[in-house]
Amino acid sequence: QQQVKQSPQSLIVQKGGIPIINCAYENTAFDYFPWYQQFPGKGPALLIAIRPDVSEKKEGRFTISFNKSAKQFSLHIMDSQPGDSATYFCAARTGKLIFGQGTTLQVKP
Amino acid sequence: DVKVTQSSRYLVKRTGEKVFLECVQDMDHENMFWYRQDPGLGLRLIYFSYDVKMKEKGDIPEGYSVSREKKERFSLILESASTNQTSMYLCASQGSGNQPQHFGDGTRLSIL
Repeated sequence: QQQVKQSPQSLIVQKGGIPIINCAYENTAFDYFPWYQQFPGKGPALLIAIRPDVSEKKEGRFTISFNKSAKQFSLHIMDSQPGDSATYFCAARTGKLIFGQGTTLQVKP
Repeated sequence: DVKVTQSSRYLVKRTGEKVFLECVQDMDHENMFWYRQDPGLGLRLIYFSYDVKMKEKGDIPEGYSVSREKKERFSLILESASTNQTSMYLCASQGSGNQPQHFGDGTRLSIL
């Protein structure tokens, strides 16, 4: 019940495309859902986060969509760029953070 | 800007050795964490600490211990390293309340 399931494991899109990464959870006690971005050789860094009382949050080209009834949330990257190529982790918090398995995104020029 | 510094980027040790991984943060954060990152498994919490000399087990504490003698420093100890502990180790710190976790750049540990 503490798991966060993330898909897909890897994703390749062309520049300008809209990659979508999905996460699902079971524990309804989770109260905070962040996304982290990790570049090769670096630690993860907070990208954007949402609380369960909000259905959508946008920050620049990054959007989180949150479906509380389905216990799912997703990250959309608008007008993706090669510089967005990275590994993305969703997470959920109840006290501590539980991370998804990660998605490696490659944006081709 | 928050800085979390892990003492080694790469480390190679032998089976049975006692291994120390060091982490220092410069933001006076109360909370510090150790994770391991493995392909397809994401980040898994090993131990965390919410105050000096305090520690709590995470999801995979077996084979590890930690030490927090000073607020800014959190050490991960592999008591007797084994090959299945070959991994990327990430340290993070977090201030009080709902502040985000800030990560170091990781230590890639190989146990031969």
